Amino acid sequence: QLQLQESGPGLVKPSETLSLTCTVSGGSISSASYYWAWIRQPPGRGLEWIASIYYSGYIHHNPSLKSRVTISVDTSKNQFSLKLSSVTAADTAVYYCARQYNNYVTSWGQGTLVTVSS
Amino acid sequence: DIVMTQSPDSLAVSLGERATINCKSSQSVLYSSNNKNYLGWYQQKPGQPPKLLIYWASTRESGVPDRFSGSGSGTDFTLTISSLQAEDVAVYYCHQYYNTPYTFGQGTKLEIK
Repeated sequence: QLQLQESGPGLVKPSETLSLTCTVSGGSISSASYYWAWIRQPPGRGLEWIASIYYSGYIHHNPSLKSRVTISVDTSKNQFSLKLSSVTAADTAVYYCARQYNNYVTSWGQGTLVTVSS
Repeated sequence: DIVMTQSPDSLAVSLGERATINCKSSQSVLYSSNNKNYLGWYQQKPGQPPKLLIYWASTRESGVPDRFSGSGSGTDFTLTISSLQAEDVAVYYCHQYYNTPYTFGQGTKLEIK
């Protein structure tokens, strides 16, 4: 059974870089059928797609965040990662990693709350 | 960007009654080459990630009870719960995956009356 697990600091200072890793188990990140995504949800609010990556490194970005986002994949570790630079309080959210099939999200991690505060 | 607008924002329905949630996209999400609507529905309970209920606007995900159904095409879609159960209390989101940036509706909070 596929499992996705986010990891990374729960507290980041303003202007610094948020870094998260998603570890995939129960399936290969190198499968040709899937994209791997980051999606966030500010407390009490809706869902925002950040970016998606294919195992080969092909990337789709949300233009609203593209200038600050770096997404990468490490097939040897079955992981993919997110870096979001120059964070502000508006970046405080639960960050989910997820698997996409035919572009829709089929599986989600449990999510990790990242708070931006000094 | 395709803007997804759900209605209502919140809804209270009696147990055993029908619940209907609407979703409208700012442009069509029907891909003419395969005649598929790139529209999904998710259920999110407190403290949990969203769960996929419906994809291609009307295809129920494996394991989802058949009281959940999706309909619509083009720009107007509906999620229907035919007989509300207590465990259906949640926030429901529609989602377009027609093009990037992929976007979600603002959510509809479903409660028991």
